[in-house]
Amino acid sequence: GAGVSQSPSNKVTEKGKDVELRCDPISGHTALYWYRQSLGQGLEFLIYFQGNSAPDKSGLPSDRFSAERTGGSVSTLTIQRTQQEDSAVYLCASSLARSANIQYFGAGTRLSVL
Amino acid sequence: SQQGEEDPQALSIQEGENATMNCSYKTSINNLQWYRQNSGRGLVHLILIRSNEREKHSGRLRVTLDTSKKSSSLLITASRAADTASYFCATALPSNYQLIWGAGTKLIIKP
Repeated sequence: GAGVSQSPSNKVTEKGKDVELRCDPISGHTALYWYRQSLGQGLEFLIYFQGNSAPDKSGLPSDRFSAERTGGSVSTLTIQRTQQEDSAVYLCASSLARSANIQYFGAGTRLSVL
Repeated sequence: SQQGEEDPQALSIQEGENATMNCSYKTSINNLQWYRQNSGRGLVHLILIRSNEREKHSGRLRVTLDTSKKSSSLLITASRAADTASYFCATALPSNYQLIWGAGTKLIIKP
C-alpha cells in the first residue's frame, strides 16, 4: 500500500474487555514496530518484528499485551483485560531493513478505556 | 529509558522567525533522526544525520550534530503556521535496530 495503515483510528472500550489493534505496513517493509504514546509524552517501544525472526517483545508492559505478525505483513496488537492506564495512542511503524533506517508511521489508534 | 532529551519542552514564536530545538543523548549512535508529529498522530520523518556528519540541510531545515557533546540541533528557518507540531529526535544505536526517542518539543507558530 501507499503507507502504513492502522485500524481502527479510535477505539473506546470498557475496562476488562479485550481489544485488537491492526497494522498493515508498507509493502516490502520487513521490519515492523509497535509503540505506545501517552498524552504529551514520547514514544514507548512495545515490540519489534523482523522478517521471520523471533520478535523482540522486551517493551511489552505486561502479559496482557501480545502481538503477532502473519505472513510477514499485517500485525495485530492485542490487549487483554484492558485497564484505564492502557489508554493511549498506539502507533505502528515499518521500515525497510533490520538496521535502524527511517521509520514510516501509521496514523495510530487512539484507545480510550472507560 | 529515554536516550534523547530535548529542549525546550515547548517553544512559541512568531511566524517568520527561526525556531531552534536541541536534543542531547547519552551513548554512541549510528545516526540521529528528527521527526514531526501533528495533533498526536503519526510521525513523519524529516531528516537523518549520520554520526560522521556534522551538518545537513533539507529545505528550511538545518540539522547539526556534535558527537563530542552528544547533542544535535534542529533549526527551522522562516517559520510558518503549518510548522506548528511536536518535533522528536530519535537516535539509532550501533548494531541495534531500535530508535530511542526523546520526549519531544512542542512548537507553536503564532500568525
